[in-house]
Amino acid sequence: EVQLVQSGAEVKKPGESLKISCKGSEYSFTTYWFGWVRQRPGRGLEWMGLIYPGDSDTRYSPSFQGQVTISADTSISTAYLQWNSLKASDTAIYYCVRGNWYFDLWGRGTLVTVSS
Amino acid sequence: QSVLTQPPSVSGAPGQRVIISCTGSSSNIGAGSDVNWYQQLPGTAPKLLIYGDRNRPSGVPDRFSASKSGTSASLAISGLQAEDEADYYCQSYDRLSGSRVFGGGTKLTVL
Repeated sequence: EVQLVQSGAEVKKPGESLKISCKGSEYSFTTYWFGWVRQRPGRGLEWMGLIYPGDSDTRYSPSFQGQVTISADTSISTAYLQWNSLKASDTAIYYCVRGNWYFDLWGRGTLVTVSS
Repeated sequence: QSVLTQPPSVSGAPGQRVIISCTGSSSNIGAGSDVNWYQQLPGTAPKLLIYGDRNRPSGVPDRFSASKSGTSASLAISGLQAEDEADYYCQSYDRLSGSRVFGGGTKLTVL
């Protein structure tokens, strides 16, 4: 069964850095777009950005441009979402998704809690 | 404030039909961008329900259907079942921002 396997929950302090991961299927990783969607506690879905691992083409939502970095390592079929300096407002579940115009595969989500 | 507007909640009795609306603008739905729908059951990740305005992925019951007209789209769920109780989100592409955008979500309660 094709699935996206995300890294585990994280608890961080404000100002700390973090990189979470999403492992896809080896045979097709470079032929799909992969992205990230944020869901704050009790709130809706927010598209953050996506990457095409085949050529590292990356697009960001204006709301997240400069706030996070999306990257991928094709050698291990893994996409990443990275913060240099977390804020309390980054507390959320982050979903890894497959697709460009729509998202046909979702990871189970990574809960990131930022608290002092 | 979401770019796509959905009603916060809808409800219906088992067996009934409900419709969830998604209102956009001339820079997204009205510009011809496809509308997609997702179902998020409590405590789980969202799941693709409808793509490309009206297409169901394999495994999605035909009780779920969708349409689009002008700057709006709608998701219809017929023969409501208790298991349909979930949050539903529309999603499209906004040509002004270059972003994939979601509606604020609609909570469906099966009475």
